[in-house]
Amino acid sequence: DAGVIQSPRHEVTEMGQEVTLRCKPISGHDYLFWYRQTMMRGLELLIYFNNNVPIDDSGMPEDRFSAKMPNASFSTLKIQPSEPRDSAVYFCASSLAGGLRTQYFGPGTRLLVL
Amino acid sequence: KQEVTQIPAALSVPEGENLVLNCSFTDSAIYNLQWFRQDPGKGLTSLLLIQSSQREQTSGRLNASLDKSSGRSTLYIAASQPGDSATYLCAVPSNTGNQFYFGTGTSLTVIP
Repeated sequence: DAGVIQSPRHEVTEMGQEVTLRCKPISGHDYLFWYRQTMMRGLELLIYFNNNVPIDDSGMPEDRFSAKMPNASFSTLKIQPSEPRDSAVYFCASSLAGGLRTQYFGPGTRLLVL
Repeated sequence: KQEVTQIPAALSVPEGENLVLNCSFTDSAIYNLQWFRQDPGKGLTSLLLIQSSQREQTSGRLNASLDKSSGRSTLYIAASQPGDSATYLCAVPSNTGNQFYFGTGTSLTVIP
């Protein structure tokens, strides 16, 4: 398996623009997680899905953030409009059985909002 | 909510030394505990997973221990090498077992 795939790997945009991050989980995994990592706050869980259904989005910072999982092999995280404080590395991870088994992380998307 | 703490935040050792990384958690009712490694600019890679019924788990030069009653885990790295330089994070699942809570990590530098 190719592992968790994320795109783009790097994104530079201007404040106010829409940003869409993409993730392809490992085939057969039923959980998908979106994280954000910054120096100040470490690794934060934003939202997770089970069988394509959003289970807990309490980590999403505000209404500017939204996530979808239209099918088992694809998820998006959208920020609209983007702000400089959204600059971070965004990771997608997938697993079988949530936290009971190991999570496999993608390489991340490094986002810079100017 | 589970809180996970890692001390120290950074550690620098000469090559060949044995070292210990620490992880503490506030809620001892955990299913398991995992240690991850993160290289600069990369995602996290799972190193070891210890089930709640286990006390230790070993993989090569790595040994992880778990003491649920005291809310602590340690990652022991034997004969450290420059290639071990990375950030090490521990994580425990939520009560429902659906998600992980991560520590802030220990940044390890092994000096040749």
